[in-house]
Amino acid sequence: ELKVEQNPLFLSMQEGKNYTIYCNYSTTSDRLYWYRQDPGKSLESLFVLLSNGAVKQEGRLMASLDTKARLSTLHITAAVHDLSATYFCAVDNAGNMLTFGGGTRLMVKP
Amino acid sequence: DAGVIQSPRHEVTEMGQEVTLRCKPISGHDYLFWYRQTMMRGLELLIYFNNNVPIDDSGMPEDRFSAKMPNASFSTLKIQPSEPRDSAVYFCASSWSTREQFFGPGTRLTVL
Repeated sequence: ELKVEQNPLFLSMQEGKNYTIYCNYSTTSDRLYWYRQDPGKSLESLFVLLSNGAVKQEGRLMASLDTKARLSTLHITAAVHDLSATYFCAVDNAGNMLTFGGGTRLMVKP
Repeated sequence: DAGVIQSPRHEVTEMGQEVTLRCKPISGHDYLFWYRQTMMRGLELLIYFNNNVPIDDSGMPEDRFSAKMPNASFSTLKIQPSEPRDSAVYFCASSWSTREQFFGPGTRLTVL
């Protein structure tokens, strides 16, 4: 059974600081997704990582995938308040079945 | 495109009642997924369809839950009878082939 673990579960950081969210998974997969969820809202797709070594960047967020280590990271650079949300990684289990991590709730303080 | 459409957005019902949640996927998408989100269990995949055919329903918690997709533009998730522990946010998502999944706004279900 595929297990997906994120850490930290909760992250409070100051504006302007850098930090990294980690996503570990237990079985082989070469397809990983990052989603953002604002309170009371739906999930918004951020990144799709499809191969080992894949790196994607959008604004202050950068995601990477290491399939050999079964690890993905979401790096936040110079955080701003608008990035406050819950971030989920999701691993493609088998042909489009996603298993989600528990989420990382990010709060960026001014 | 309007995105994935779900209705109702909020549903409050009493234990024992039948609940039907509805979803319209993005036009042209051939996969449709039903998820449930709770604080305790996070996001769980309940069932998914490919070209209107159920492929995997191993996440459906009990026989009280059933899902149908009569055509490419409509799906329902039914709970009969509902119980308080079914209270959650239910999301529908769709995708084209095995590409990224796009989520609807969700239905917040409260069973009293």
